[in-house]
Amino acid sequence: DAGITQSPRHKVTETGTPVTLRCHQTENHRYMYWYRQDPGHGLRLIHYSYGVKDTDKGEVSDGYSVSRSKTEDFLLTLESATSSQTSVYFCAISDDRSTDTQYFGPGTRLTVL
Amino acid sequence: SQKIEQNSEALNIQEGKTATLTCNYTNYSPAYLQWYRQDPGRGPVFLLLIRENEKEKRKERLKVTFDTTLKQSLFHITASQPADSATYLCALVGPTGNTGKLIFGQGTTLQVKP
Repeated sequence: DAGITQSPRHKVTETGTPVTLRCHQTENHRYMYWYRQDPGHGLRLIHYSYGVKDTDKGEVSDGYSVSRSKTEDFLLTLESATSSQTSVYFCAISDDRSTDTQYFGPGTRLTVL
Repeated sequence: SQKIEQNSEALNIQEGKTATLTCNYTNYSPAYLQWYRQDPGRGPVFLLLIRENEKEKRKERLKVTFDTTLKQSLFHITASQPADSATYLCALVGPTGNTGKLIFGQGTTLQVKP
């Protein structure tokens, strides 16, 4: 998985609680992304980062925030988890702005009850 | 808005045959198109990239074509093997100068039977 780890790998939480997912890379890639993957929707971009402390919104950013204080770490926070945020979350990294070829982590399966 | 369509029905083929997967797109003129493989419970893995000025790209048993007039890419696996069974995603990249964010299709599941 190209030197990318995600933690936790599985999490069950209750509606209304905050949740933070962590993505850690050892590749020193500049760009990092958070996606969610759901049946019928495929992969959808939540937020992305183009450098330390530089982030921007993706297609489905409502209810999510991110932070990147170090090159290697990109955190995704669900401010108040809802059942609609039950999903599999993938982190990806890239070092090529022209082609945007991405390398994905193993994913985090999140269940919000 | 930009839209990518891949056949949502699983493709079942016999070992040794050529598998052909289709990716169609609308309202878009991508500079690149990429194909990824995803196994159950794992993240997608990059396979191939083809540029808008390339008609065809090959890598071992894989071949990708890119027809910008038809707005379509075909992904071929020759001499398919059961180990090729997976979901294959196509993804588009914007033209140079855009943010370059990838847009993914929903994927087509390939099942190769021995």
